[in-house]
Amino acid sequence: TQLLEQSPQFLSIQEGENLTVYCNSSSVFSSLQWYRQEPGEGPVLLVTVVTGGEVKKLKRLTFQFGDARKDSSLHITAAQPGDTGLYLCAGAVVGYQKVTFGTGTKLQVIP
Amino acid sequence: KAGVTQTPRYLIKTRGQQVTLSCSPISGHRSVSWYQQTPGQGLQFLFEYFSETQRNKGNFPGRFSGRQFSNSRSEMNVSTLELGDSALYLCASSSLAGGSDTQYFGPGTRLTVL
Repeated sequence: TQLLEQSPQFLSIQEGENLTVYCNSSSVFSSLQWYRQEPGEGPVLLVTVVTGGEVKKLKRLTFQFGDARKDSSLHITAAQPGDTGLYLCAGAVVGYQKVTFGTGTKLQVIP
Repeated sequence: KAGVTQTPRYLIKTRGQQVTLSCSPISGHRSVSWYQQTPGQGLQFLFEYFSETQRNKGNFPGRFSGRQFSNSRSEMNVSTLELGDSALYLCASSSLAGGSDTQYFGPGTRLTVL
């Protein structure tokens, strides 16, 4: 059973466009992380959200944790080629003892 | 603070051989988790060690094993390699166990089985 579903799976956009990636679950998370991974490298942490309804901004990236702590979104404004990569959400489900990873969103930003 | 390090970065083996991968966590972190990443299956959890004890294990065969040392460094061993074991193996460290704290990843070891 996949606890964390990400959408879309693939996204190819032009430089300068905006986009939103979603991470959804029927489970409640005590915290949720977003990572970006480039080919052949390990995922790099972008942000951790902990409180329901929390919004965090990292330059052109905006992260939101759902009020019920079951979902999250990542919005990128004016995407740049450097944003290209695999975006992963991950979280610790309340009552579980390990981190669960989402299915991933592969983003390509075309110059 | 130095990040998570993994050695070697690349490895080529043949079927039937065994391999040992190493992971050094961030200083002060006592939890190390291992993941297998393939294009078709995404990130799959292998196991987690905390203070030298295995706390959790994923759904992998017994050919996959690991251990953690008193300095928190961890090793992962795969015996009797199969073609399907070709993957990027990632380790992640955190200060607490069981997902209670954020995980930080190493660069990974790319294993190719011929």
